[in-house]
Order: sequence, then structure tokens, then C-alpha cells
Amino acid sequence: VQVVESGGGLVQPGRSLKLSCVASGFGFDAYAMHWVRQVPGKGLEWVSGINWNSETTRYADSVKGRFSISRDNTKDSLYLQMNGLRGDDTALYYCARGETAVLSDAFNLWGRGTAVTVSS
Amino acid sequence: QSVLTQPPSASGTPGQRVTISCSGSKSNIGTNYVHWYQQTPGTAPQLLIYRNKQRPSGVPDRFSASKSGTSASLAISGLRSEDEADYYCAAWDDSLRAAVFGGGTKVTVL
Repeated sequence: VQVVESGGGLVQPGRSLKLSCVASGFGFDAYAMHWVRQVPGKGLEWVSGINWNSETTRYADSVKGRFSISRDNTKDSLYLQMNGLRGDDTALYYCARGETAVLSDAFNLWGRGTAVTVSS
Repeated sequence: QSVLTQPPSASGTPGQRVTISCSGSKSNIGTNYVHWYQQTPGTAPQLLIYRNKQRPSGVPDRFSASKSGTSASLAISGLRSEDEADYYCAAWDDSLRAAVFGGGTKVTVL
């Protein structure tokens, strides 16, 4: 049972990047999924969440209008399309599984994260 | 500035009891469940407590939590060296329509 993130890297300000998270060992389509980020040495910041069937998506104010979350239940995969990247988006991005199909429950499975650095 | 407020640090000697507070508002803690996460250095966060006071399997009963009104607390009894970590409270916020975290509390075992 795990989730594994990929797609991070170094990107210039204003450019785009797409993160992926592949799940294994559990019924992916039964759970809400989230992205949470952490600047090294700082606290956790929830970025975005999506319910089990993609009908409901939510975003932190800091990324609203720039980031887009999506999922493909046929591929057991979660995505985060990040546009208009800024320096303060630099962080380690974690994929996290919700406890249930709804967004408001706890995150009970976390990946190891993928690092995003926004710099010229 | 985090939506949920935690003390930045807490400490105790082995065997002691340490408590961490988490203060919020009606739209988050006052209405929804509180969850707690533990993060040891260099690792991903792990769920420690969910739905105010429930422990996932494998979490020792030395960890307990409670909620009252718009505040919550986490207690670690019989403190052990391996409990040195950062602890975060979290909840869903109905006004923001977002999950919110506390700023984290670093627990040091003296």
C-alpha cells in the first residue's frame, strides 16, 4: 500500500510543471486524494484535494487559479498541474490519501514527496 | 500565519507527559474533526490521531487527544526519545472550503 510522487524538478518562474502520484495496493477510486506541500524547515500547507469521482475539487487560496488537480481512476493516478509558478511555490510536494471518499477526512497515507524548485 | 494555532515547541524528560494545544475557530475545529500528524526529521508526515481522538492501528496508546469547542489537544504520556518529532493539528475549514494545518509543534525529549 503506497503512493509515489514524481514530476518535480527545477523550473523557471512563470513556467508550468505537472506532478503525478501513482497509487498501489488499495482501491484508488474509493478515496479522496490530496496534495500537501512543505517548504524545507517549515510547516505543512494543504494545496488541493479531489474527491473520489472528481466531482469536487478544492484549492488553497495561494494556488487558486494557477493549479489544477485531477485524477484518473483507470490509472490509479493523481495529478497536479501547476501553472504560473512562483518562487514561493518552491517546496516538497506530498501526495496524500484521504481516509474516505470525501475531502474533509484525515490523510492516512502519504508519499515521500517530490521536490519542486522555482528559480531562474 | 496558520489558521490553527499551536505552540512552536514543547519538551519533557523521558517518562513525562507532554501536551500540545491547537486553537481554531467555529468554522474548523468548532464544526469538524481534528486530526494530528507526526513528522520525524527527514520523513513524510504520518497520521497519529484522526476524528478527534481515534488512533490508527499501530499508534501506541501513549498518544491521546481530545477536542472541546474550538480547541483541541494532543497528549503524549510516558515520553520516549523516539517521540522527538514535529506534531501538526489539522481540520477541514467550512468557510475556506479547505483543509488547514497548525504551524506545528516541535517536541524535544530532554
